[in-house]
Amino acid sequence: AQSVTQPDIHITVSEGASLELRCNYSYGATPYLFWYVQSPGQGLQLLLKYFSGDTLVQGIKGFEAEFKRSQSSFNLRKPSVHWSDAAEYFCAVGAFKAAGNKLTFGGGTRVLVKP
Amino acid sequence: EAGVAQSPRYKIIEKRQSVAFWCNPISGHATLYWYQQILGQGPKLLIQFQNNGVVDDSQLPKDRFSAERLKGVDSTLKIQPAKLEDSAVYLCASSPGRDTDTQYFGPGTRLTVL
Repeated sequence: AQSVTQPDIHITVSEGASLELRCNYSYGATPYLFWYVQSPGQGLQLLLKYFSGDTLVQGIKGFEAEFKRSQSSFNLRKPSVHWSDAAEYFCAVGAFKAAGNKLTFGGGTRVLVKP
Repeated sequence: EAGVAQSPRYKIIEKRQSVAFWCNPISGHATLYWYQQILGQGPKLLIQFQNNGVVDDSQLPKDRFSAERLKGVDSTLKIQPAKLEDSAVYLCASSPGRDTDTQYFGPGTRLTVL
């Protein structure tokens, strides 16, 4: 069975500083990997996804993530954080299915942005 | 394009009462998902529909939870009777239906069981 670990429950970063969120996964085959963001009272919004090909994936809002098979990791990065990036971030691994894919989420990392 | 709609947004009930949540997916999306998100945790898949058929309900507590998608469009998730540990946000998501498709999430229904 697949699983996702996000080691950092909370991260505080200053506005304008860089951000890196860690994600480690366990899956028996080539994974589909996702990063979602959830703002208070909102549903989840997809930031980026990895299916195959280039291991450095660009997403929305200036985010990128790098897939490292040898480390079973898919860390999310942003070079310069804005106050609006304060939210909860979830990494997920998707299992192939004939109809859609089954997502298993990590526990999330809450990002606080200091002015 | 309209997103995934859910109602109600908030619900407070007493334990042992019943409750129902409604979801209308993005038009044309064949696959619909219900997730449970307990405070401080990531979402957990409860049930997945492809059109009006169940693809995966392995994590649905079937003694108290039920879900249907009779016409292959909107869906209802019911809890009867509710327990304190059912307090959570219930998220609905939809996707076109292929394994590479992105899931699009609704705003969720926050359930509090007293």
